[in-house]
Amino acid sequence: QQQVKQSPQSLIVQKGGISIINCAYENTAFDYFPWYQQFPGKGPALLIAIRPDVSEKKEGRFTISFNKSAKQFSLHIMDSQPGDSATYFCAASRDSGYSTLTFGKGTMLLVSP
Amino acid sequence: GAGVSQSPSNKVTEKGKDVELRCDPISGHTALYWYRQSLGQGLEFLIYFQGNSAPDKSGLPSDRFSAERTGGSVSTLTIQRTQQEDSAVYLCASSLYTSASYEQYFGPGTRLTVT
Repeated sequence: QQQVKQSPQSLIVQKGGISIINCAYENTAFDYFPWYQQFPGKGPALLIAIRPDVSEKKEGRFTISFNKSAKQFSLHIMDSQPGDSATYFCAASRDSGYSTLTFGKGTMLLVSP
Repeated sequence: GAGVSQSPSNKVTEKGKDVELRCDPISGHTALYWYRQSLGQGLEFLIYFQGNSAPDKSGLPSDRFSAERTGGSVSTLTIQRTQQEDSAVYLCASSLYTSASYEQYFGPGTRLTVT
């Protein structure tokens, strides 16, 4: 059973545009939602994370929006740049004790110049 | 400082052979995780270590897979009698502690190809 569903699978955005990636989760026990960015040949790296006590978190051009009632969260990349071209993974876990991250299947983002 | 390192970076093996994949975590990190990344399948959790103990082995796909960690540091993932479906990128991550509050730092992965 896939517990975190991510869409779209791939995305092409023009430079300067807004990239939006969506995720939905099923397990109501999840209370920590990170996004990871992965460049080819590299391991994923934490980009930004949110906990359900807030509905939005912004770090530079990256914003997470969180809708607890809908069990959905999304990543918005404002003013997308070619250097943002990468694969993005959403994930979810419980934020207490031992917890493993459950990842979405990833979104391959290409920002065209 | 040094990040998580993995070796080899690439491994090509024949079906039926055993392989060992190595992970060197960030010094001082007590938690260590192994994931498998297949094309279009995201990251699949395999196993985690807290110190040298592996409390959760539920993600290992079969009894051909095993892992150990020694000295609270280096970890080895062993796949016996490799099959073509084992072909994937195997990622290792480490964090200060196992709680999600502590960021997992990933290594570059080992690309395993079973022919």
